[in-house]
Amino acid sequence: QKEVEQNSGPLSVPEGAIASLNCTYSDRGSQSFFWYRQYSGKSPELIMSIYSNGDKEDGRFTAQLNKASQYVSLLIRDSQPSDSATYLCAVGRGSTLGRLYFGRGTQLTVWP
Amino acid sequence: ETGVTQSPTHLIKTRGQQVTLRCSSQSGHNTVSWYQQALGQGPQFIFQYYREEENGRGNFPPRFSGLQFPNYSSELNVNALELDDSALYLCASSPAAGSSMNYGYTFGSGTRLTVV
Repeated sequence: QKEVEQNSGPLSVPEGAIASLNCTYSDRGSQSFFWYRQYSGKSPELIMSIYSNGDKEDGRFTAQLNKASQYVSLLIRDSQPSDSATYLCAVGRGSTLGRLYFGRGTQLTVWP
Repeated sequence: ETGVTQSPTHLIKTRGQQVTLRCSSQSGHNTVSWYQQALGQGPQFIFQYYREEENGRGNFPPRFSGLQFPNYSSELNVNALELDDSALYLCASSPAAGSSMNYGYTFGSGTRLTVV
């Protein structure tokens, strides 16, 4: 079982819709959770972090964490073509300080 | 405040050669982490350096080695290059070992290595 798994995608949504990206992780000791956005040919950019169960909102982005289900999600409201990118889920554990475990990413396309 | 800078941007090497990639950490950061991102994959942890010593290593062979200098900049060295080493190499700095747990990383722009 992989450390971090993301829905395979690609995901395609129309402009203005809600995009939902999902991620599961295997280690119950995981303590920190991040979403990165990566445009083609560029390095990953941190867009959201979440550490406790529930929702965290930042502008059009909402991260959701359910530690009991070992599940993290990212919702993008009012999706724009500029949101088209690969979204990477990353997880940090207390047992391996400084190391983040990344999923393979989900490619999102927002069409006008 | 300057961010993380990496050099070179792109590099083409022949199988069997050696390569050195460089990273300048963000001002005030004493910890540097290196990741390898193969095409279509998420970044994979190579190792982390804290105060000039290796502070954790991922599942990479010994031909991947690193250094951190007193100014906290860092090098990643790869010997005996293989075709599968072709990837985007990412460097990230953080203010202290383990603090990436709390704040995540800010990555540099990366070095695209192609091995032919």
